[in-house]
Amino acid sequence: KNQVEQSPQSLIILEGKNCTLQCNYTVSPFSNLRWYKQDTGRGPVSLTIMTFSENTKSNGRYTATLDADTKQSSLHITASQLSDSASYICVVISWKLTDSWGKLQFGAGTQVVVTP
Amino acid sequence: EAQVTQNPRYLITVTGKKLTVTCSQNMNHEYMSWYRQDPGLGLRQIYYSMNVEVTDKGDVPEGYKVSRKEKRNFPLILESPSPNQTSLYFCASRDRSISGNTIYFGEGSWLTVV
Repeated sequence: KNQVEQSPQSLIILEGKNCTLQCNYTVSPFSNLRWYKQDTGRGPVSLTIMTFSENTKSNGRYTATLDADTKQSSLHITASQLSDSASYICVVISWKLTDSWGKLQFGAGTQVVVTP
Repeated sequence: EAQVTQNPRYLITVTGKKLTVTCSQNMNHEYMSWYRQDPGLGLRQIYYSMNVEVTDKGDVPEGYKVSRKEKRNFPLILESPSPNQTSLYFCASRDRSISGNTIYFGEGSWLTVV
């Protein structure tokens, strides 16, 4: 079972509208959580990085939240644009004091389509 | 500009014909890794390397080989490709410490094995 679950699997929104994507994880021990944007056929690009002590982080129209107690994160897209059409991937980093390298656990992604 | 460069970007090959996908990074990163991405699945790690001549298996290493002779290069080798290796492949690199540091991904290599 994947330790990082994303929902919904896909969604379609009208240009200008807002949307929220969800990420639930069971990864332990937890180090940090990242959201990536992946355009079709391209490599993932980092949007936000949040550590255990941070509960919100913004990057332009993208705002990520983290609740480390419930192991949930969300990515909110405000005033969506056509260029927001992409897959959004939640990545949770597991890290131990004895291992500075860390291990990445990837969600399967949420495919967002913004229509005119 | 920080970059991870993969080649080729697109390749169609036949079963059993050896191929190599190259990966190069210009950030002097110690850590490099290969992933494959299939529909409905998250990125899955194939192999990773923590430094020159230091490599280890990820979650799905079967059918793949890697080498790390130089810090900047980390080629992925398919000795005898099979159709189940048809996938989108990504190379990534980062600094040693995972805390807060960006992970850089290449643009991806589409591989089709017929």
